[in-house]
Amino acid sequence: EAQVTQNPRYLITVTGKKLTVTCSQNMNHEYMSWYRQDPGLGLRQIYYSMNVEVTDKGDVPEGYKVSRKEKRNFPLILESPSPNQTSLYFCASSLGAGVIRETQYFGPGTRLLVL
Amino acid sequence: KQEVTQIPAALSVPEGENLVLNCSFTDSAIYNLQWFRQDPGKGLTSLLLIQSSQREQTSGRLNASLDKSSGRSTLYIAASQPGDSATYLCAAGRAQKLVFGQGTRLTINP
Repeated sequence: EAQVTQNPRYLITVTGKKLTVTCSQNMNHEYMSWYRQDPGLGLRQIYYSMNVEVTDKGDVPEGYKVSRKEKRNFPLILESPSPNQTSLYFCASSLGAGVIRETQYFGPGTRLLVL
Repeated sequence: KQEVTQIPAALSVPEGENLVLNCSFTDSAIYNLQWFRQDPGKGLTSLLLIQSSQREQTSGRLNASLDKSSGRSTLYIAASQPGDSATYLCAAGRAQKLVFGQGTRLTINP
């Protein structure tokens, strides 16, 4: 089944404890992105990647890191989480540039609580 | 900077009605506009993608239109059903740089 998977789905952590949220897609997609969704602010892009070893900042990159060492994986790293990073996180992927190729496929989300 | 707005924030209609959801964007230099559906506690599901050169796209009971000059898109849902209840989001831009609206929460009452 074609899908985007994220792990963990739920995470409670404490301020300053490094964590990684994994994202993997099995559709051979070139483009991958991370978003956070907050009440009243909607979905905002954190980082995106257009291919292996090619990443760039989205609208709210502060406090996050990403890497794209393999085409299928795009982990989101919080080196020192803070309470304002409590949010619902989504990973998304698409084939690449051009019409239908840009249809986005979203993972199920990771709900993060930072105490 | 692109801004995307969806009004109303919430809409409740009886089953069977045809309805229109609205999406407006400030920068008309978009590559495509996408409509998504989000069910509570779940991820987003792509419904329709309209390329900037197109005027509309259809999928089943859904029809999305795009008017770049006025910075507007609409999602038309025909013969609404309770299963259509969800939050609908539009997003403008292109795959690697999408800007989302805050969504319209739609409730279809049986």
